[in-house]
Amino acid sequence: SAVISQKPSRDICQRGTSLTIQCQVDSQVTMMFWYRQQPGQSLTLIATANQGSEATYESGFVIDKFPISRPNLTFSTLTVSNMSPEDSSIYLCSVEEGRNEQYFGPGTRLTVT
Amino acid sequence: GENVEQHPSTLSVQEGDSAVIKCTYSDSASNYFPWYKQELGKRPQLIIDIRSNVGEKKDQRIAVTLNKTAKHFSLHITETQPEDSAVYFCAAKEGFQKLVFGTGTRLLVSP
Repeated sequence: SAVISQKPSRDICQRGTSLTIQCQVDSQVTMMFWYRQQPGQSLTLIATANQGSEATYESGFVIDKFPISRPNLTFSTLTVSNMSPEDSSIYLCSVEEGRNEQYFGPGTRLTVT
Repeated sequence: GENVEQHPSTLSVQEGDSAVIKCTYSDSASNYFPWYKQELGKRPQLIIDIRSNVGEKKDQRIAVTLNKTAKHFSLHITETQPEDSAVYFCAAKEGFQKLVFGTGTRLLVSP
């Protein structure tokens, strides 16, 4: 499977600021996704990062709060804007390979104070 | 849309016992059912998956069964070991739709 890296691995941010998380894949992939996992919870899809067009957001997530870029087939960024403590979570990117197999990056642990 | 329910939420077994985790899904069009293992502080790892044209799939000590009529699928772990302790997530997907995850099962294997 593809090797997926994320930066930063963790960060502590102040309320009202923004953080951009990077996801890099070692091979070209068509489908990339961004998930949020709150402590002790399951995985919630934020959006599908589309190359060359606007991301497709899930219900409850909006572009102004979570802008996503996908400049090419190996890279994507997720920005968490105007953060509040409720945004404290683990953010994971994932890629789809082969026939629906989805693999996850190592995650970014975000704490908002 | 798809809805996936997972049971139990926690499961404690003795080393060497078998463990079974069950999931039900709502969309009869779903045709791909993966299972993920997530150790503490780590990313979810795809451990096994099954497609709707297959009833059972095995990989060493783990197996997954699918009952399309009843719309449920299960993960079976035999001869459990302490390193099997983790949170396990099931998921379901149809074609180009999104992957929908269950709520997770925390498995604890005691030596």
